[in-house]
Amino acid sequence: DQQVKQNSPSLSVQEGRISILNCDYTNSMFDYFLWYKKYPAEGPTFLISISSIKDKNEDGRFTVFLNKSAKHLSLHIVPSQPGDSAVYFCAARTSYDKVIFGPGTSLSVIP
Amino acid sequence: DTGVSQDPRHKITKRGQNVTFRCDPISEHNRLYWYRQTLGQGPEFLTYFQNEAQLEKSRLLSDRFSAERPKGSFSTLEIQRTEQGDSAMYLCASSLGGQGRKTGELFFGEGSRLTVL
Repeated sequence: DQQVKQNSPSLSVQEGRISILNCDYTNSMFDYFLWYKKYPAEGPTFLISISSIKDKNEDGRFTVFLNKSAKHLSLHIVPSQPGDSAVYFCAARTSYDKVIFGPGTSLSVIP
Repeated sequence: DTGVSQDPRHKITKRGQNVTFRCDPISEHNRLYWYRQTLGQGPEFLTYFQNEAQLEKSRLLSDRFSAERPKGSFSTLEIQRTEQGDSAMYLCASSLGGQGRKTGELFFGEGSRLTVL
């Protein structure tokens, strides 16, 4: 039972444009949603999060939007930079602090 | 360095052998997590601890897998009678859970890559 889904395995964007990564979830009990970025041969690193009681959180070039009724969240990166090229994982946390990850989306930002 | 450290970084073993991975979390973190990641997949939850107590173990995890966190500090993940399907990256992460919890951010180590021949 895949509780966190990322249906786009890969995404390619021109430098300077907006990157939009999508995530869907099935469990209404998640209380926090997080995005992680992963470079090859490294562990995932935290990027940005959003509480289930919010609908938007912004941090510099990164904004996460949450649509609870649709059980959908998205990460917007604007403007996209070549250094943003990485795999992005959507994750969801339960009230017991168990964190479930999606399968990831590989983002390529083309100079 | 005060991040999460994992040892060994790489392990090559023959099928049927036992392997053990160690994780040292960030010192003040009371939660410790183990995940497994294979190529093209996201981190798959294996188990997690609150101090020395194991809170949950994935039902996908066979009895060949066992994890401990004896004094609430470092943790070990042991795989007995390894199989080729166990080949993966084993990731450890820690966080501050409970009353000190904030966003639920996990801090990951660089992982231990297992290859079973």
